[in-house]
Amino acid sequence: GAGVSQSPSNKVTEKGKDVELRCDPISGHTALYWYRQSLGQGLEFLIYFQGNSAPDKSGLPSDRFSAERTGGSVSTLTIQRTQQEDSAVYLCASSLGQGRLSNQPQHFGDGTRLSIL
Amino acid sequence: GNSVTQMEGPVTLSEEAFLTINCTYTATGYPSLFWYVQYPGEGLQLLLKATKADDKGSNKGFEATYRKETTSFHLEKGSVQVSDSAVYFCALSDHDYKLSFGAGTTVTVRA
Repeated sequence: GAGVSQSPSNKVTEKGKDVELRCDPISGHTALYWYRQSLGQGLEFLIYFQGNSAPDKSGLPSDRFSAERTGGSVSTLTIQRTQQEDSAVYLCASSLGQGRLSNQPQHFGDGTRLSIL
Repeated sequence: GNSVTQMEGPVTLSEEAFLTINCTYTATGYPSLFWYVQYPGEGLQLLLKATKADDKGSNKGFEATYRKETTSFHLEKGSVQVSDSAVYFCALSDHDYKLSFGAGTTVTVRA
């Protein structure tokens, strides 16, 4: 079946602009995660959605970052007033979301490579 | 807090050589442990996992055993191929859903 789909695959924008990154999880997966992969910081957790519950936003690095998940499926990560340090690969993952979450493998998309000029 | 430490790369091997990538972890509870692989130009893929002590995860000829006494989850493969060239990430999930990743180890296999 289809895996996690992310778009765009690449995004280049000027400092100060807003960007939106999209993630379409695997059908039937209720848990959705965003991570950031950067040279200096490695892979970092950003935010987690589970069904209709309030998201865990504890990993978002600043209030310029926000995310939403509409209808329990597609998610959008928005970065406002982008800065050069926001340049990274943004990865989305999904998992079944049932049972013990820590046991469940997370399935990743190919990521969006964001470059801030 | 939780953390994962894995051996620094890059690692360069010849085909059919034995590969070991060391991974140790710190966690407050009883984490699940994972190895993810990122092939050139591709996203992260789950390679194998183990959810409790002494479990052995295996896939594509790779193995890793969850060792609670040494807090380790070392990745091994007996005979690597050029197609195994990738970045390998050790990761853990403790209590909840957040994955904590190691820094990644770049492996290059030469023909």
